[in-house]
Amino acid sequence: GAVVSQHPSWVICKSGTSVKIECRSLDFQATTMFWYRQFPKQSLMLMATSNEGSKATYEQGVEKDKFLINHASLTLSTLTVTSAHPEDSSFYICSASGTRSTDTQYFGPGTRLTVL
Amino acid sequence: AQKVTQAQTEISVVEKEDVTLDCVYETRDTTYYLFWYKQPPSGELVFLIRRNSFDEQNEISGRYSWNFQKSTSSFNFTITASQVVDSAVYFCALSRANQGGKLIFGQGTELSVKP
Repeated sequence: GAVVSQHPSWVICKSGTSVKIECRSLDFQATTMFWYRQFPKQSLMLMATSNEGSKATYEQGVEKDKFLINHASLTLSTLTVTSAHPEDSSFYICSASGTRSTDTQYFGPGTRLTVL
Repeated sequence: AQKVTQAQTEISVVEKEDVTLDCVYETRDTTYYLFWYKQPPSGELVFLIRRNSFDEQNEISGRYSWNFQKSTSSFNFTITASQVVDSAVYFCALSRANQGGKLIFGQGTELSVKP
């Protein structure tokens, strides 16, 4: 159990375009989903926390207009990188936890975004 | 402030050796949760273990064991008889109660197990 999927696993896009990444909890209901960014050889950096049916909470320094997060159902959250630029190239990872804030986070396989 | 420190950036061992990954945390909370995750080269973080602050029992799962000591604020992870498949980056993480489940990650330890 506790499987989280992400799609796509990798994407290459041109500068100025928008990219949408999906995160799904396959076998449990995820009240909360988290979006992280990871640079090579570094730890995970939390970008935002999304709760089903409400607006996402962004970490300090993360542009909410650039990284749009939608958590429309208990099994799906999406991250849209708007007007992507080369500096947005990174590994994006989502995680999902259950109905309690103390539940364990289970991670998706990540999406590697390359912006040309 | 809350913080997780994994002082070992990289560890290299030869197959069948035992290896311990250190994790030291800082928090003033009385209720908190500790985690270990494994990130193999494929990139996906794999959940290994969760420990509640009020449960200091050590745990063993196959070749993996964890030593939780509140007195030293440590939550160390030992792999016995390491295998090449254990090669990965291992992250220790802390979450606080009433913080919406946010994880505070350590810097990670890259373990390389050579045949």
